[in-house]
Amino acid sequence: GAGVSQSPRYKVAKRGQDVALRCDPISGHVSLFWYQQALGQGPEFLTYFQNEAQLDKSGLPSDRFFAERPEGSVSTLKIQRTQQEDSAVYLCASGVFSGTVFPGANVLTFGAGSRLTVL
Amino acid sequence: KNEVEQSPQNLTAQEGEFITINCSYSVGISALHWLQQHPGGGIVSLFMLSSGKKKHGRLIATINIQEKHSSLHITASHPRDSAVYICAAVSGGGADGLTFGKGTHLIIQP
Repeated sequence: GAGVSQSPRYKVAKRGQDVALRCDPISGHVSLFWYQQALGQGPEFLTYFQNEAQLDKSGLPSDRFFAERPEGSVSTLKIQRTQQEDSAVYLCASGVFSGTVFPGANVLTFGAGSRLTVL
Repeated sequence: KNEVEQSPQNLTAQEGEFITINCSYSVGISALHWLQQHPGGGIVSLFMLSSGKKKHGRLIATINIQEKHSSLHITASHPRDSAVYICAAVSGGGADGLTFGKGTHLIIQP
């Protein structure tokens, strides 16, 4: 597709429910990132995939958070037993390396985000 | 860890005004992103720059690597420019190498 697509755009969950958030990156983009953005804050890094390999999951806040990208394209972020503090916008971004040394020099394309509200 | 500070946090201006949003960081970087986020919308990358100045339409971004400071300017501001503007420093730490500022909430009134 033309951009990064995320679904659902809005999700309301009762505390304790499991949720799954989907990200469709731009076709051919090797890198995929998940971020959590609390109200009034900048995005915070959660996890990173290069193709199907999850190379960094240091930002996942607890073992209730799990992400996968089994075929190196679509990714799913799963949150088990949701808590109120999980309420946030979850952003997905995909990118290609720009050819410089630092991986952070990716030119990233962000999705519209999935807004999760846990009651 | 890089500390990224943006100012102001909130800015309300009248249509047509010249807008400046500032971003400073504590650790040397290789590049810096300016991002735009509309309410309920995703993030759009406006610029990635590593030196000097870039211009796109009414938007201008400048960076001074020695002073660890970048600015985003909007000329002839318009209500459709109302959004949150976020700077993100590229410093190589972590998978994405990005440290995000908290954003500047800009409202342009007609």
